[in-house]
Amino acid sequence: DIQMTQSPSSLSASVGDRVTITCRASQSISIYLNWYQHHPGKAPRLLIYAASTLQSGAPSRFSGTGSGTDFSLTISSLQSEDFATYYCQQSHSTPLTFGGGTKVEIK
Amino acid sequence: EVQLVESGGGLVQPGGSLRLSCGASGFTFSNFDMHWVRQRTGKGLEWVAIMDTAGDTYYAGSVKGRFTISREDVKNSLYLQMDSLRAEDTAVYHCVKTVCSGGSCYLFDSWGQGTLVIVSS
Repeated sequence: DIQMTQSPSSLSASVGDRVTITCRASQSISIYLNWYQHHPGKAPRLLIYAASTLQSGAPSRFSGTGSGTDFSLTISSLQSEDFATYYCQQSHSTPLTFGGGTKVEIK
Repeated sequence: EVQLVESGGGLVQPGGSLRLSCGASGFTFSNFDMHWVRQRTGKGLEWVAIMDTAGDTYYAGSVKGRFTISREDVKNSLYLQMDSLRAEDTAVYHCVKTVCSGGSCYLFDSWGQGTLVIVSS
């Protein structure tokens, strides 16, 4: 199984900050890496797929990079609605796996 | 509008069984791979199983041999038969639809609100 490791597990930031979350796969997954935003009590929202493609409707302040085993999600200027938990997910092969999540909190 | 509505959760004793159901509407159900994803309280997302449009199934190692996913396209319904339940199976179970885009598949794009399963004596 492919293990996905996210870091940090949580971070505190202010509105307007630039935030970067990383995700590492235990083996190469090419670009089959997706990012989700999850607010408590709501359905997770797909933000980025194929490592760097912005999902339709997702704000342009979100961007993704990486290939192989190392990936990152960047929020260029944090907005109040961005305080949430973010998950990476590999779609290279089954069993599909998620990272442990990164909770972005208000400083 | 895509809607996924789960039912069938509840309290069950360790070793017991439970069958979850998911009713789908707002899209052509038979054209999409369907999954179950769970979230334990205070924990992250965990993929459980998929049944694809061809009827093929795959499972997470933690549930393989105990859970069975199935679907009835004529009823727009997805199911999860859970046997030999353990305390660690306690979670909210979500029915999830995936799509392919730009050559990338297994993108979770629509989620149900979930049904809570509690395994406890």
